[in-house]
Parts: sequence; C-alpha cells; structure tokens
Amino acid sequence: DVKVTQSSRYLVKRTGEKVFLECVQDMDHENMFWYRQDPGLGLRLIYFSYDVKMKEKGDIPEGYSVSREKKERFSLILESASTNQTSMYLCASRATGYSYGYTFGSGTRLTVV
Amino acid sequence: KQEVTQIPAALSVPEGENLVLNCSFTDSAIYNLQWFRQDPGKGLTSLLLIQSSQREQTSGRLNASLDKSSGRSTLYIAASQPGDSATYLCAVTGGTSYGKLTFGQGTILTVHP
Repeated sequence: DVKVTQSSRYLVKRTGEKVFLECVQDMDHENMFWYRQDPGLGLRLIYFSYDVKMKEKGDIPEGYSVSREKKERFSLILESASTNQTSMYLCASRATGYSYGYTFGSGTRLTVV
Repeated sequence: KQEVTQIPAALSVPEGENLVLNCSFTDSAIYNLQWFRQDPGKGLTSLLLIQSSQREQTSGRLNASLDKSSGRSTLYIAASQPGDSATYLCAVTGGTSYGKLTFGQGTILTVHP
C-alpha cells in the first residue's frame, strides 16, 4: 500500500515564525499536494507539484510556499506564520494517469498562537 | 467549475441498519470518483475508487455505485456498526492534466449501539 507520511501530528508555533511541514511518500508518485481543512470550508488546495522542482499554485497559495527537491518529499513552508493559518494540513500523492486515485497522509494539526 | 454535493449532511442510525450516502457532481467529465472516510482529527482514508468506465466497486460491507451520465454516486454500507461512525467524503478527479480533486462537504455518520 502507498504510504504518505507527515512528520508531525501536532504543531504549536508562534506568530511570525517560519514553519516547515514535511511530507514523504514511498510509491514513486509524480504528483504531490498540500491541502488545508477548516470547519465549514472543507478541503482547499494550497499548492501541488507534478515533478521534482516543479510547483503550481492551488486555490489558496497566499502566505505559503513549497519545496520539492526529491521526488518522494514535498514540503510546505509558512514564511511568517499567522493565526489565520491555524488549521489541519493534509498532504496527498497520486500517480499520473486517469485511473489513479489519491492517497492522503494522517494530517498535521497546526496551531499558531 | 465542478461542484460536488453530498446528502444528507448528517445521519444517525441504530447499529445493524443498512444505509445509503449520496453524492452528486455537476460535470460528468471525470477520471474517477473516490469515497473517503475521516475520523475526527485524522487524515483521509480511501475506501473505494471507481473508474469513470465502471458502475460499481465493492469492499467488504461497502458498495459504491457510479452513474456518470447523471452525475451521481451512492455509498451503501451494510449492517452498520458503531465503528463506522465517521465523516464520509465523496471526491471526483478530473478536469486538468494532473487530475484536480473536488470534494463534497461530507456526511457525518453516527451509528449508535
């Protein structure tokens, strides 16, 4: 089974800190994604990557950046954390092709104080 | 723009009942449809993946159907158990080269003993 691993289950950071959320997948998937999930707003796509060093903005990229230096690893970076970035962050991966589904990690609950 | 709707928003049933969760989508040009389960504070677990050319998929007590032309899917849960209590999310993939994932808002299922 494909495994998507997010390095932290819970994080508490201070306003203004630079925050790194790490995600690793073990099935050689080309595509990786970062979502955030908030009550009443559902899951929203922040950024995705379809290859090493390639990235595309999703629906809500403001305040975030990403890095993909290796195929298996996709990092989400909050350059200067703010309280409105308190959320559940979910990483996902998917192989390229019509028939493939998404695999999600277990999530990182980030609280910015 | 793809929109996914899930009905009902919440469902409470006694243990042992068979139940149906509904999902509809506005654009039938999809690659596939996935049903996910999410426990409180956790990530998404993929339950079933139905290709656009398929009519249904089964896994244990779960059966998902797809009618692409009418933009509908149902998730049937047989002989429900308290451990089935969770949020169930329907999501369709399609519309872009990387396979954009569009979620419904979910159905919160409670199975009481």
